[in-house]
Amino acid sequence: GENVEQHPSTLSVQEGDSAVIKCTYSDSASNYFPWYKQELGKRPQLIIDIRSNVGEKKDQRIAVTLNKTAKHFSLHITETQPEDSAVYFCAARSPNFGNEKLTFGTGTRLTIIP
Amino acid sequence: EAQVTQNPRYLITVTGKKLTVTCSQNMNHEYMSWYRQDPGLGLRQIYYSMNVEVTDKGDVPEGYKVSRKEKRNFPLILESPSPNQTSLYFCASSLYRLDTEAFFGQGTRLTVV
Repeated sequence: GENVEQHPSTLSVQEGDSAVIKCTYSDSASNYFPWYKQELGKRPQLIIDIRSNVGEKKDQRIAVTLNKTAKHFSLHITETQPEDSAVYFCAARSPNFGNEKLTFGTGTRLTIIP
Repeated sequence: EAQVTQNPRYLITVTGKKLTVTCSQNMNHEYMSWYRQDPGLGLRQIYYSMNVEVTDKGDVPEGYKVSRKEKRNFPLILESPSPNQTSLYFCASSLYRLDTEAFFGQGTRLTVV
């Protein structure tokens, strides 16, 4: 089955700096890669996603890049703000017919230092 | 308002006492799943359902049961809870397949003593 590894597990950056979180996946058939943000005590919520036919996607201060050959994808947050402090999860979707699954990474706790 | 609703939010129970955590969605989603979240382990899938009467095991199904008799409801059943099932549980639903956004419930924090 799919295996998703996420690094780093914790990340602290100064407000205004950029943050990068990286994930690797094992199933070359995986074709959808969402990122979820979970604020303290809240539910995970989708912030951005990318499909396997796209190399990069951007939405204001956040962007995701995908390297299918290397089987890794990354989340980039620029001009970080205090409200970016949260746990971020990457995930990969395995499209096996009748048995598709979404496998999550172990999460990155991002702390923005004012 | 489109949402996924779990109940209860918090539950403390004793070992061996059967319990059910309910999950309901009002978005007519076909795909529903249960995850448990533990520190350092992320979100791990327990069971999922691709449609009514269709359920299958996820990565950590031992000790859990589910049913999908109606499209909107997907309860998680712990027949004989044990302390290693102490965790934060999330129900999630997706429109049809998993290449669409997963909407999560508010979470249920379960403690088994």
